[in-house]
Amino acid sequence: SQQGEEDPQALSIQEGENATMNCSYKTSINNLQWYRQNSGRGLVHLILIRSNEREKHSGRLRVTLDTSKKSSSLLITASRAADTASYFCATVRGRGGSNYKLTFGKGTLLTVNP
Amino acid sequence: GAVVSQHPSWVICKSGTSVKIECRSLDFQATTMFWYRQFPKQSLMLMATSNEGSKATYEQGVEKDKFLINHASLTLSTLTVTSAHPEDSSFYICSAADRGEFSGANVLTFGAGSRLTVL
Repeated sequence: SQQGEEDPQALSIQEGENATMNCSYKTSINNLQWYRQNSGRGLVHLILIRSNEREKHSGRLRVTLDTSKKSSSLLITASRAADTASYFCATVRGRGGSNYKLTFGKGTLLTVNP
Repeated sequence: GAVVSQHPSWVICKSGTSVKIECRSLDFQATTMFWYRQFPKQSLMLMATSNEGSKATYEQGVEKDKFLINHASLTLSTLTVTSAHPEDSSFYICSAADRGEFSGANVLTFGAGSRLTVL
């Protein structure tokens, strides 16, 4: 079942602006990950945040996690046209072995206009 | 870094035929691989967990006789869509975990996906 829900479903911004995407989930998690998918392609891992972490940075990406609200946000700063893609959050409940299953949200389609 | 190769990247077949999709970990061994299905503009739905040397674990609602999974080696898992029908047309994506580093907080590597169109 899909427990991650992203909003907005679609986001259109101008180059240079910041883009914020949100993800909510329903059950307890081990970690939460954000992935990027270009149209018709596979997924690229962006960042992982553990359940005991509240914020994480990677380049122009900033992820927050609020386990009390069961929500996460992905901020992309100074967006570029090349950032245009679908962004998915995915939650992991278990640890190791076959319990390490990703449950994906519905995704946010980000369009960055040059 | 870790690379997962999927083949074919796209395939068109006639209704009633079977199609095999391969998922290979190129530079690492993968005890566990995962198969996902994605409909246009939708999210990824986990179909099954493929375990090397044992039977795959299927998610609820996924027909094991329809989607045959074989994980015969530590670098190869295959998904065979048997007696394909137009409703099986979809984007199938695999992912794999590095056997040497697999733990609760490591990242899976995804293949580029295989687009199946059943006529």
